[in-house]
Amino acid sequence: EVVMTQSPATLSVSPGERATLSCRASQSLSSNLAWYQHKPGQAPRLLIYSAATRATGVPDRFGGSGSGTEFTLTISSLQSEDFAVYYCQQYNNWPRTFGQGTKVEI
Amino acid sequence: QVQLVESGGGVVQPGASLRLSCKASGFTFRSYGMHWVRQAPGKGLEWVAVIWYDGSNKYYGDSVKGRFTISRDNFKDMLYLQMNSLRAEDTSVYYCARDATRGLGMDVWGQGTTVTVSS
Repeated sequence: EVVMTQSPATLSVSPGERATLSCRASQSLSSNLAWYQHKPGQAPRLLIYSAATRATGVPDRFGGSGSGTEFTLTISSLQSEDFAVYYCQQYNNWPRTFGQGTKVEI
Repeated sequence: QVQLVESGGGVVQPGASLRLSCKASGFTFRSYGMHWVRQAPGKGLEWVAVIWYDGSNKYYGDSVKGRFTISRDNFKDMLYLQMNSLRAEDTSVYYCARDATRGLGMDVWGQGTTVTVSS
């Protein structure tokens, strides 16, 4: 299976600052990668698909980049509602696999 | 509005069976593939299974293969997960999720139902 590795595990950021989250795949995914935001007690939310395309309703402060095995999620100016856990997920191969998550905390 | 609502979770003993359900509304259910994803306490998201829009194909994660079965009823707009031979490590919140158009991620998620496997 494709192993997804996210870094860092925890990112401490102040509101208004920029956050950069990384995701590495054990084999090439082309651009078949999604990012999700997950808050405690809530349903996960699709943020980015095709590595760089924002899902409907996602603010433009969220940006995705990368292809192949290296991907990045950037939050340009963190708002209070952005503190959450973020997961990357590949949909290039079966089984689908998620990274272990990056917690973005204040 | 587009919505997925899971049900059927509970507390069961190791070796028992349980069937989860997911009711879809607000969209044409029969046109979409559907997933189950779980999250164990203190852990990340783990993909469990997928079923094609018409039920013609199914895939499973290695940890549940041979024990879990995904199915759907397109007349009732329902998705199911039959879980047999449950283990303590199956304890999780189970989410159903809609496969996005052209398979580009999972774009609609339910709130989850909790399964606890404990003696």
